[in-house]
Amino acid sequence: SYELTQPPSVSVSPGQTARITCSGDALPKQYSYWYQQKPGQAPVLLIYKDNERPSGTSERFSGSSSGTTATLTISVVRAEDEADYYCQSQDNSGLVWVFGGGTRLTVL
Amino acid sequence: QVQLVESGGGVVQPGGSLRLSCVASGLTFGSYAMHWVRQAPGKGLEWLADISHDGRKKYYAESVRGRITISRDNSKNSMYLQMDSLRSEDTAVYFCASRSGSYVGFDYWGQGTLVTVSS
Repeated sequence: SYELTQPPSVSVSPGQTARITCSGDALPKQYSYWYQQKPGQAPVLLIYKDNERPSGTSERFSGSSSGTTATLTISVVRAEDEADYYCQSQDNSGLVWVFGGGTRLTVL
Repeated sequence: QVQLVESGGGVVQPGGSLRLSCVASGLTFGSYAMHWVRQAPGKGLEWLADISHDGRKKYYAESVRGRITISRDNSKNSMYLQMDSLRSEDTAVYFCASRSGSYVGFDYWGQGTLVTVSS
């Protein structure tokens, strides 16, 4: 079955830039999406269609995709950004959705 | 304001069945594709199934195909997940989520309902 691979954890100091990657063989063909989840809460859509932000998503969050890797970039990281981040995409058939394993962002 | 509310979770014995519900408000329910996603304790998100806006198309994750059935009733703004032959590894919080169109992601989520499979 199709898999998306994320690093388990990323650490960054406040004010720095955090980058979280997501690798998958179908990413050249399928869009990537990113979600933020804080403890005890439901996930929140941050990025859709590789690099589009829903209204309400801070401009500090941006997405990109190149080849088999999608990247979520968080600029000027704040303590409130500490959370789990999940990438999402579809397999080559476009019928099955998949989440990456998640990346815990720690703000030092 | 869009709201998705799941219900039907609880404790069930291995091999048992459970039917989860998701009731939507604040959106034109019949225009949205809907999804079920689960999260085992301390683990990541796992997509389970989706159903098209009109209920005609349904797709399932390979890991649960054959044991779950997704359905919806647009007249009741509701979606359902029938789960059979439950196993301990099905213990998780089950979320419903909506998708308003193609390539927009899962734009609204419920708060989830906890299913515990235990004897």
